[in-house]
Amino acid sequence: GDSVTQMEGPVTLSEEAFLTINCTYTATGYPSLFWYVQYPGEGLQLLLKATKADDKGSNKGFEATYRKETTSFHLEKGSVQVSDSAVYFCALIGGATNKLIFGTGTLLAVQP
Amino acid sequence: EAGVTQSPTHLIKTRGQQATLRCSPISGHTSVYWYQQALGLGLQFLLWYDEGEERNRGNFPPRFSGRQFPNYSSELNVNALELEDSALYLCASSLERGASNQPQHFGDGTRLSIL
Repeated sequence: GDSVTQMEGPVTLSEEAFLTINCTYTATGYPSLFWYVQYPGEGLQLLLKATKADDKGSNKGFEATYRKETTSFHLEKGSVQVSDSAVYFCALIGGATNKLIFGTGTLLAVQP
Repeated sequence: EAGVTQSPTHLIKTRGQQATLRCSPISGHTSVYWYQQALGLGLQFLLWYDEGEERNRGNFPPRFSGRQFPNYSSELNVNALELEDSALYLCASSLERGASNQPQHFGDGTRLSIL
C-alpha cells in the first residue's frame, strides 16, 4: 500500500541555519503531496502542497519540489527561526480514497 | 474565515464509557475527516464523510462510528472505551469530493483521556 517515510528527528539547528527534512513516498498512480506543521498543543496546519511532478510548493520561506523520478518531496528552508520549532509531517493522498497517509513526523528544534 | 472547530478541547472518560466528539468544518467544505493521533502510533485515518454519507473507513473496530449532519458538521462516537483509545482526535475538512485530492484543513483536536 501507499506509504511515506521521513527522516527521524529530532533535528536541532541554530537560528539562520539551512533546513532540509527528507521525505520519500511509495504510491501507485500520481499522489498529491503535502507538508503539515504541528506546533505544541495545536492541530495540524497545512504548510505547502504539490499535485503533480516537478511542482514546487512554497509558503513562509519553506519549499518542496515533487520529484517523481526519486519519489521524494524534501522540505527546505534557507534560514530557520526559533518560531519554526515544531513537528513537521510529510503526507500524501493517492487515488480516490481521500485518505491522508502521514509520515512519522520530524521534530525540529531551533536554538537562538 | 473561521477554521475547523472541534469540541470539547479535552474529554476525560473511564473504561467502558462512551465518548462523543464534535466537529464543524470550514464554511463551504462538504467533506469531513477524522484522524487519531496516539502516542507511538502516529496519525491514522479513521473516517471520511461527504454529503452525509460515510465514504471511507480506516482500520478501526466498529465501536468507532460517526455521522455527518445536513449542515456538514460531524460527530465521532467511540463506544466501550478502552485505555488505548487515549489520543488526540483530529478533524479535518476539504472541498467536495469531486475536486480530487484537495488539501485537508485541520482543527486543534480533542484530547481524549481514558482513566
